[in-house]
Amino acid sequence: SQQGEEDPQALSIQEGENATMNCSYKTSINNLQWYRQNSGRGLVHLILIRSNEREKHSGRLRVTLDTSKKSSSLLITASRAADTASYFCATGVGGAGNMLTFGGGTRLMVKP
Amino acid sequence: GAVVSQHPSRVICKSGTSVKIECRSLDFQATTMFWYRQFPKQSLMLMATSNEGSKATYEQGVEKDKFLINHASLTLSTLTVTSAHPEDSSFYICSASPQRQGREKLFFGSGTQLSVL
Repeated sequence: SQQGEEDPQALSIQEGENATMNCSYKTSINNLQWYRQNSGRGLVHLILIRSNEREKHSGRLRVTLDTSKKSSSLLITASRAADTASYFCATGVGGAGNMLTFGGGTRLMVKP
Repeated sequence: GAVVSQHPSRVICKSGTSVKIECRSLDFQATTMFWYRQFPKQSLMLMATSNEGSKATYEQGVEKDKFLINHASLTLSTLTVTSAHPEDSSFYICSASPQRQGREKLFFGSGTQLSVL
């Protein structure tokens, strides 16, 4: 079952602009992760933030987590056409294998 | 990074036939693997959790006799769609995480596009 919602469902921007995607979830979590999926392909892990962290950076990616609001955001700075993909947040409760529950995803299109 | 190989990447079959999809962890062991299903432009829906050496755990609404899962070794899980019908057409993805500390990150196979005619 889906844990939460992602917003927006679709986003179209120009190359060089920043892209912000939001994710909300419903239950307590151990960690929240963001994944990227190119069309017709598997998912690639981008970044993980734990429930006791508020912000994390990785290259052009910045993730925030607000556990009081049960929400997270993914910011991609200086976007490139190659960033065009679907982005999913996923929440994990820890434990064996860390089963993840995915949000609805944001389809990002970066126009050159 | 850890690699998960999924095969085949695409399969077209006639209604009523069975299709087997393999998911292998190439450079790590995985006691647990996950099988997801994804419809076009939608999110991943967890179908079942595959446990090495024991029965899989299926999510509510997923028929265990329809989607047979076998996890016979620490590096291989298979999903068999039995007596496939057109409504089973979908994108199936497996994932796994290494058995070590900090294993929250999942590694995904490249997916299998199943088309049932």
